[in-house]
Amino acid sequence: NAGVMQNPRHLVRRRGQEARLRCSPMKGHSHVYWYRQLPEEGLKFMVYLQKENIIDESGMPKERFSAEFPKEGPSILRIQQVVRGDSAAYFCASSPNVATGTGNEKLFFGSGTQLSVL
Amino acid sequence: AQTVTQSQPEMSVQEAETVTLSCTYDTSESNYYLFWYKQPPSRQMILVIRQEAYKQQNATENRFSVNFQKAAKSFSLKISDSQLGDTAMYFCAFMAGYALNFGKGTSLLVTP
Repeated sequence: NAGVMQNPRHLVRRRGQEARLRCSPMKGHSHVYWYRQLPEEGLKFMVYLQKENIIDESGMPKERFSAEFPKEGPSILRIQQVVRGDSAAYFCASSPNVATGTGNEKLFFGSGTQLSVL
Repeated sequence: AQTVTQSQPEMSVQEAETVTLSCTYDTSESNYYLFWYKQPPSRQMILVIRQEAYKQQNATENRFSVNFQKAAKSFSLKISDSQLGDTAMYFCAFMAGYALNFGKGTSLLVTP
């Protein structure tokens, strides 16, 4: 059973370009979470999605960032017109049900995508 | 708002020794969960141990155990018989809904 798959592992973009980060949750998981890790920081929550629905995007910057989790295919985190401050590691996590921290609703993380903006 | 503080940016321990990583948090929630995650150079986030706030008994997982002091809002991680493979960043995290709040991490180096 493959874990949470993120690609690409490394992504280099020039300022003003678009970045698309992909996340395939574990099989059977319908809940996806995106986190961002700035250098020498812990992970910060960005957005929580279920299939075809954005449940909570309170951690997303108001502009240039968007996320989707279609009925078919991976979840996509999209950053338009990237700036140097967007350089970070972006992590995706998935859970079979809403991850409340209880025994059955555990969160599984991918290995992240390192975005570098030149 | 919930905050998580890890006051030790870096720590070092010799192989086979014991080390304790500190974590404090601030919350007004009564029902929550606390976690320690390990992030090796591969960048993979690995769950080390989990504690339910309503449980008084400290969680243990093999060589890893926690000292959970709810009144003091303290949640330290003890690693016994340290191994070279324990070298990594360690993040303390708090969860009261579905979003994890992470501290800034402690970089642990295990030396031979």
